[in-house]
Amino acid sequence: QVQLVQSGAEVKEPGASVKVSCKASGYTFTSYDIIWVRQAPGQGLEWMGWFKPNSGNSNYAQRFQGRATMTGTTSISTAYMELTSLTSDDTAVYYCARNLAGLGLWGQGTLVTVSS
Amino acid sequence: QSALTQPRSVSGSPGQSVTISCTGTSSDVGGYNFVSWYQQHPGKAPKPIIYDVTRRPSGVPDRFSGSKSGNTASLTISGLQTEDEADYYCCSYAGSDTVVFGGGTKLTVL
Repeated sequence: QVQLVQSGAEVKEPGASVKVSCKASGYTFTSYDIIWVRQAPGQGLEWMGWFKPNSGNSNYAQRFQGRATMTGTTSISTAYMELTSLTSDDTAVYYCARNLAGLGLWGQGTLVTVSS
Repeated sequence: QSALTQPRSVSGSPGQSVTISCTGTSSDVGGYNFVSWYQQHPGKAPKPIIYDVTRRPSGVPDRFSGSKSGNTASLTISGLQTEDEADYYCCSYAGSDTVVFGGGTKLTVL
């Protein structure tokens, strides 16, 4: 079954970091890029960055440069998105999506809550 | 990287057609044939309904269609059904491994 399965919800304090995982199955992980998107409560979708599993390279939206790091472990077909220096504005659902036929396959989303 | 412009809301009655616009620039919508559309119901992950401007993923009804003219892409939903009530987002490739989303449109089926 072709799917992306993300890690579970997280609660973090301001200033902390969070690392969300996205495990691919049912296809060759290195064949397609992974896009990370987030959605704050009641808000729209926001592109965060682009991860290329075959090279390990990433490209980030300007507002996340220096704070987001996107990586992957090919042996376990898993992509990661780490976000540092969290503030309450980072409270959101974080999604990974496969870049094939548009963003044709999405993870279920990971809720990250930043609260003291 | 400015967001693409969508109307905040549209509405229609069952059986009618609605069109949602998505306006960008020559650096995104107008520059590439990589516009996609996503349907999102509350509490759910976005579901792809159109990609590469006009193509439908397998399983998406042909009531959903996409088009583009210049810097504006459009999603048309014909034969509206109650289950079409959702938020809709456009998305465009913007060059150099970047992507930009629209602000989203809430579709109400009256």
